[in-house]
Amino acid sequence: AIQMTQSPSSLSASVGDRVTISCRASQGIRNDLGWYQQKPGKAPNLLIYAASTLQSGVPSRFSGSGSGTDFTLTISSLQPEDFATYYCLQDHNYPLTFGGGTKVEIK
Amino acid sequence: QITLKESGPTLVKPTQTLTLTCTFSGFSLNTYGVGVGWIRQPPGKALEWLALIYWNEDKRYSPSLKSSLTITKDTSKNQVVLTMTNMDPVDTATYYCAHRRVDSSAYYFDYWGQGTLVTVSS
Repeated sequence: AIQMTQSPSSLSASVGDRVTISCRASQGIRNDLGWYQQKPGKAPNLLIYAASTLQSGVPSRFSGSGSGTDFTLTISSLQPEDFATYYCLQDHNYPLTFGGGTKVEIK
Repeated sequence: QITLKESGPTLVKPTQTLTLTCTFSGFSLNTYGVGVGWIRQPPGKALEWLALIYWNEDKRYSPSLKSSLTITKDTSKNQVVLTMTNMDPVDTATYYCAHRRVDSSAYYFDYWGQGTLVTVSS
């Protein structure tokens, strides 16, 4: 199975900060990667698919990049509603595998 | 508007079989490229993919749980059912079902149910 390693596991940031979260695949997955945001007690919400395509309705401050094994989710200017946990998911082959998550907390 | 909702027992005993139903609306599981998946999340832990079923009856399972999982669909009822045998306390988790879509060869889960917490305890 492809292992997805996210870093950092948590970070503290202030409103307005630029935040980057990384996800590394144990083998090449082309651009078959999605990013999901999850708030406490809620279901995950799709932000980005195909590594860099913004899901409809998602604010443009979210962006994704990368291909092969290294991927990045960037929040250009952190907003209060962005404090949450973020997961990457590889859709390249089965079993589908999630990263361990990155919790974004208020500094 | 696509919606999904999970239903099933909130408490099961060890060794019992869990049956979860995902009832959905706003799409058909007869449509090309569409699937429904199950994902779970133990309290305070990360997401884990379990199983998927597609419009064409293609079924996929997590290898670590394949021997205990069965996924089926009933398109007339707009339901997907997941059964998991021999439940253990480590299977305590919130179980989600999610709509899977293909878009120019990219697959993703774009709609999720609210999740249902299943506790395994005697």
